[in-house]
Amino acid sequence: NAGVTQTPKFQVLKTGQSMTLQCAQDMNHEYMSWYRQDPGMGLRLIHYSVGAGITDQGEVPNGYNVSRSTTEDFPLRLLSAAPSQTSVYFCASSYITTSGQETQYFGPGTRLLVL
Amino acid sequence: DAKTTQPNSMESNEEEPVHLPCNHSTISGTDYIHWYRQLPSQGPEYVIHGLTSNVNNRMASLAIAEDRKSSTLILHRATLRDAAVYYCILKIGGADGLTFGKGTHLIIQP
Repeated sequence: NAGVTQTPKFQVLKTGQSMTLQCAQDMNHEYMSWYRQDPGMGLRLIHYSVGAGITDQGEVPNGYNVSRSTTEDFPLRLLSAAPSQTSVYFCASSYITTSGQETQYFGPGTRLLVL
Repeated sequence: DAKTTQPNSMESNEEEPVHLPCNHSTISGTDYIHWYRQLPSQGPEYVIHGLTSNVNNRMASLAIAEDRKSSTLILHRATLRDAAVYYCILKIGGADGLTFGKGTHLIIQP
């Protein structure tokens, strides 16, 4: 299994450009989420999905859109990039354990620089 | 959400045990304690989780205080590959993601 894959690994954008960060998982996990990590900080939740067709906002959703048309894929769209969106973006997929707890598997991340 | 407090950094020697503390004095009765770690330039990875009893797996042990206001992640024999940021996270349940703090930066000396 490849696990959670993210593309691209690196991206440079100009302010105002749009782009889509791709995320795919092959573990048949029902749940997926997107985080951003700024230098020296922990991860912050952007959006999450509890199944195909169902998404919800996390802590920092402004400026980002998501959709979940299949179990495997969960793309993150930046509509009009801003320098404040310069960050490392991590996608995760997860399952619920027998004790009802979410266990997440993370991708390798996408480093985004907005000029 | 209940808050966790961890030291910013800790240093240990290779092949010695490491005890990483986490304080969570406002923990609720239904909060589980999760630990993740993030190796340099990688995404976080799951380490262990527990509710009340101590837990062991192939990566680490989790010791939970009787009053549940603190816990300790134990790496029994640290290697250089264990150098990472370790996050202690409280979570009630559900699939609505995790709340990460700044974690503890663990440095392993050869």
